[in-house]
Amino acid sequence: KAGVTQTPRYLIKTRGQQVTLSCSPISGHRSVSWYQQTPGQGLQFLFEYFSETQRNKGNFPGRFSGRQFSNSRSEMNVSTLELGDSALYLCASSSTNFNTGELFFGEGSRLTVL
Amino acid sequence: QQQVKQSPQSLIVQKGGISIINCAYENTAFDYFPWYQQFPGKGPALLIAIRPDVSEKKEGRFTISFNKSAKQFSLHIMDSQPGDSATYFCAASSGATNKLIFGTGTLLAVQP
Repeated sequence: KAGVTQTPRYLIKTRGQQVTLSCSPISGHRSVSWYQQTPGQGLQFLFEYFSETQRNKGNFPGRFSGRQFSNSRSEMNVSTLELGDSALYLCASSSTNFNTGELFFGEGSRLTVL
Repeated sequence: QQQVKQSPQSLIVQKGGISIINCAYENTAFDYFPWYQQFPGKGPALLIAIRPDVSEKKEGRFTISFNKSAKQFSLHIMDSQPGDSATYFCAASSGATNKLIFGTGTLLAVQP
């Protein structure tokens, strides 16, 4: 069974640009969550989707948005990039929308903002 | 109240020794406490998890000890091996969500 796939793996943007990151969950998983990982702030929850509905949102500005498609694939978008948005963005999928199952993480998309 | 505090920040253990990482929380609504292991260049992977209705859970060399009254939980790695060298994160969540609140991580180095 293929794991969680995130694309692109690496990208470099400049301040003010926008970026879209993609996540394909494990087949059959309908829950997708996004996390931001930085050396200073650690792992922080961005949002959670289940069956195309956003169920939870972390404490990030409105420049961070996401969506989930009918095939459970998910995208997140960051507009008007700032230097502080440089981070590893991790996607995780789960077979349930309750905290009863394991979250399977992808290898992440490493974003560098110059 | 949503924080999970983790210590130590880094840990060096000799091969065969016991590695102990501690976490503390404030939110009594948390009802799921997983530990994740992350190797460089990889995403975190679930190691072991516990719910507050038990005080200890063991899987192989990995044990979670849970103290509900103190709102603390810890990971013990017995017979630590160089292959265990990684960053370990504790986390907590509550209810019908996959939102995890992570600790700040512990970088473990097991020396041969």
